[in-house]
Amino acid sequence: EVQLVESGGGLVQPGGSLRLSCAASGFSFSSYWMHWVRQVPGKGLVWVSRISSDGSSTSYADSVKGRFTISRDNARNTLYLQMSSLRAEDTAVYYCARGTCTNGVCYKYWGQGTLVTVSS
Amino acid sequence: QTVVTQEPSVSVSPGGTVTLTCGLSSGSVSTSYYPSWYQQTPGQAPRTLIYSTNTRSSGVPDRFSGSILGNKAALTITGAQADDESDYFCVLYMQSGISVFGGGTKLTVL
Repeated sequence: EVQLVESGGGLVQPGGSLRLSCAASGFSFSSYWMHWVRQVPGKGLVWVSRISSDGSSTSYADSVKGRFTISRDNARNTLYLQMSSLRAEDTAVYYCARGTCTNGVCYKYWGQGTLVTVSS
Repeated sequence: QTVVTQEPSVSVSPGGTVTLTCGLSSGSVSTSYYPSWYQQTPGQAPRTLIYSTNTRSSGVPDRFSGSILGNKAALTITGAQADDESDYFCVLYMQSGISVFGGGTKLTVL
């Protein structure tokens, strides 16, 4: 069974940093592109970032480019999102998702999410 | 800035058929956008229904189908049931390498 479990969320002050993790199991993690998607509670989904199966290719939404870094450790079956210079508007539930389709641009499996709150 | 458009709200009668659409503020949606559809109820993670236009995800009943209708991607639900009442989101992959979600459609079954 495919499982994605996010962790690392919490309360952080504006300008601060946080690292999210997504532990994957039930599939060959190193074979799949992975994504982060976020959602302000009660609002819509917003794609954040994508990373290739070997970590060599990444892309970001304009709203986080230069502040967030996606990475992965295939030996540990774990995806990361390093977030810095956090703003109030980054407050959201962050989901990791496993990619599918060509170049992993679609999402098939989702984690349950971790809440990040940016507030003083 | 490309905007992905969805109907804010749609209603359907139990047992009826409804089509939700996913368009672009400028241009037409094609299969090269890999349109995908997700269902979400409050407090839950999204559930994948359809990806790459018309591929049904594991365990999704064949009441749900995806297609391209005219210049938009479409999600059709046939034989609507009460537990289909949810928010539905589409996402399109842009050739620039980013993905953009639509604002979502709230489906009411009544």
